[in-house]
Amino acid sequence: SQQGEEDPQALSIQEGENATMNCSYKTSINNLQWYRQNSGRGLVHLILIRSNEREKHSGRLRVTLDTSKKSSSLLITASRAADTASYFCATYSSGNTPLVFGKGTRLSVIA
Amino acid sequence: NAGVTQTPKFRVLKTGQSMTLLCAQDMNHEYMYWYRQDPGMGLRLIHYSVGEGTTAKGEVPDGYNVSRLKKQNFLLGLESAAPSQTSVYFCASSGWAGELFFGEGSRLTVL
Repeated sequence: SQQGEEDPQALSIQEGENATMNCSYKTSINNLQWYRQNSGRGLVHLILIRSNEREKHSGRLRVTLDTSKKSSSLLITASRAADTASYFCATYSSGNTPLVFGKGTRLSVIA
Repeated sequence: NAGVTQTPKFRVLKTGQSMTLLCAQDMNHEYMYWYRQDPGMGLRLIHYSVGEGTTAKGEVPDGYNVSRLKKQNFLLGLESAAPSQTSVYFCASSGWAGELFFGEGSRLTVL
């Protein structure tokens, strides 16, 4: 079963707006990761946040993690048409278990 | 630097035929994974390996076999293909609890 659940399933915004995607998970984690997938391509790693971190930035990306609520959010600021893609959260549980992915959020950025 | 390479990229099989998907990585990663991606289902883990000579079952292992005879290669086999195995297959590799590096996917259709 999937550990992470992204919300919303789909999001459509205008270029220049901010996009926020949320991820909820069920069990304790070692770290949480966000990935991006362009249509027909493989997934690309965006950012990793460890369980003892609360916020992390990378360029126009901002990720927060609230372990008490078992949730994370990905914020993309000043979105561009090229940000159109599906975004997935994935979690490593404590211990030697593999990464488990959610079903993803489809982001459409309209120019 | 090739990263993760999957072959073949496309394949059409008839029900009952067998085939092998090959994944090769050049990053000296211990961990390798096979996922399948179906519309609306996100990525589901089929099998994974934590090192040369080891394999383990993921969420949806039935109908698939794997082998990791060499550290850089991870093979996914379908002994008797079924239409339900029509999907896009992704291979990935990683270090422990680290980011995953994905191949570009192998699109399989079973008629």
